Amino acid sequence: EVQLLESGGGLVQPGGSLRLSCAASGFTFSSFAMSWVRQAPGKGLEWVSGISGGGDSTYHANSVKGRFTISRDNSKNTLFLQMNSLRAEDTAVYYCAKGSYSTASRINMDAWGKGTTVTVSS
Amino acid sequence: DIQMTQSPSTLSASVGDRVTITCRASQSISSWLAWYQQKPGKAPKLLIHKASSLESGVPSRFSGSGSGTEFTLTINSLQPDDFAIYYCQQYNSYSAFGGGTKVEIK
Repeated sequence: EVQLLESGGGLVQPGGSLRLSCAASGFTFSSFAMSWVRQAPGKGLEWVSGISGGGDSTYHANSVKGRFTISRDNSKNTLFLQMNSLRAEDTAVYYCAKGSYSTASRINMDAWGKGTTVTVSS
Repeated sequence: DIQMTQSPSTLSASVGDRVTITCRASQSISSWLAWYQQKPGKAPKLLIHKASSLESGVPSRFSGSGSGTEFTLTINSLQPDDFAIYYCQQYNSYSAFGGGTKVEIK
């Protein structure tokens, strides 16, 4: 059974940084692209970042480009999201999601974690 | 960037109804479209991928169709468990979600 467990969320001041992690199990982690998707309170889903199975290709939404960095450690079956220069509008539940393919340029989400909450506020 | 537009934003229906949700892409995405269901406080769940392929374990009352820029999700004989928010997502070029359609009890 695929399991994805996010951690690292919390309260951070505007301009601060946070690193999210997602521990994966139940599948061959390095064979699949992974994504971060967020959902602001009462709002819809927003794709944030994606990374290929090998970690050599990464993509970010325009709203976070230059501030967020997605990465992965395939030896530890773990996905990361480094978030810098955080803004109030980054406040959301952040979900880790598994893709159906290895490529990150075409990435759907066939399994999701339960999410971790990030609150950016002074 | 590819924009995804869903309609309606809210849909009121009764148990047993047939409901249809539409998703339009701002440019052709071939069949690279997925549909998700989300219930309050829960993570989304993949229902359909490649526009019309039913994910394993998803009831057959759910179906998807379309290609290019126009897509539909149909739920035949709506069940109490189906009241939720539904999102489309294109994955032809990176990823983008539609704004969501809330299916509520009439």
